[in-house]
Amino acid sequence: QKEVEQNSGPLSVPEGAIASLNCTYSDRGSQSFFWYRQYSGKSPELIMFIYSNGDKEDGRFTAQLNKASQYVSLLIRDSQPSDSATYLCAVNIGDSNYQLIWGAGTKLIIKP
Amino acid sequence: DGGITQSPKYLFRKEGQNVTLSCEQNLNHDAMYWYRQDPGQGLRLIYYSQIVNDFQKGDIAEGYSVSREKKESFPLTVTSAQKNPTAFYLCASSIRTVTGELFFGEGSRLTVL
Repeated sequence: QKEVEQNSGPLSVPEGAIASLNCTYSDRGSQSFFWYRQYSGKSPELIMFIYSNGDKEDGRFTAQLNKASQYVSLLIRDSQPSDSATYLCAVNIGDSNYQLIWGAGTKLIIKP
Repeated sequence: DGGITQSPKYLFRKEGQNVTLSCEQNLNHDAMYWYRQDPGQGLRLIYYSQIVNDFQKGDIAEGYSVSREKKESFPLTVTSAQKNPTAFYLCASSIRTVTGELFFGEGSRLTVL
């Protein structure tokens, strides 16, 4: 069974520090990788995607992909209280959105 | 403003009753999806549709039904055959089914009494 694993947390990080969120996946053939943010009681919204090994930066967010080790991570620099949310990792085992496998999410708490 | 509208936001149902969740989008997206979210679990795909008048079962379609008579609309019916229907239901859309961003509605929380 294809799986995506995330530590459920909560992960508590001081304001201004770097938050590091990790995700591992079981299918070596996975093609693309996504991070969604979900505030409590709200719907997920896409914040980053990555297709190739290495780092991809977008503002305070950096996605890191290591296909050999089958993990993808999300770094949030200069963490703000507004970053407090659950972060969902989604892995596409094919090339269509209906092939996405979702992790259960990591709850992140930024302490002022 | 473009977006996805789900209704109702909260719904209570007695056991044995069918209930229909509405999902409407004005993003002109071809593909639409229904997911179920339970505590401690990842999103699970119920049904998806790539085009009007066509839809496919996802991983947990049993006890659910959908229709796609209009591009903008993709309602989900939770039938009495669904044994554990209490959950948070999310409707999403994308321009196409090829890998890309999913846009989600605000969700519908269904509670079976």
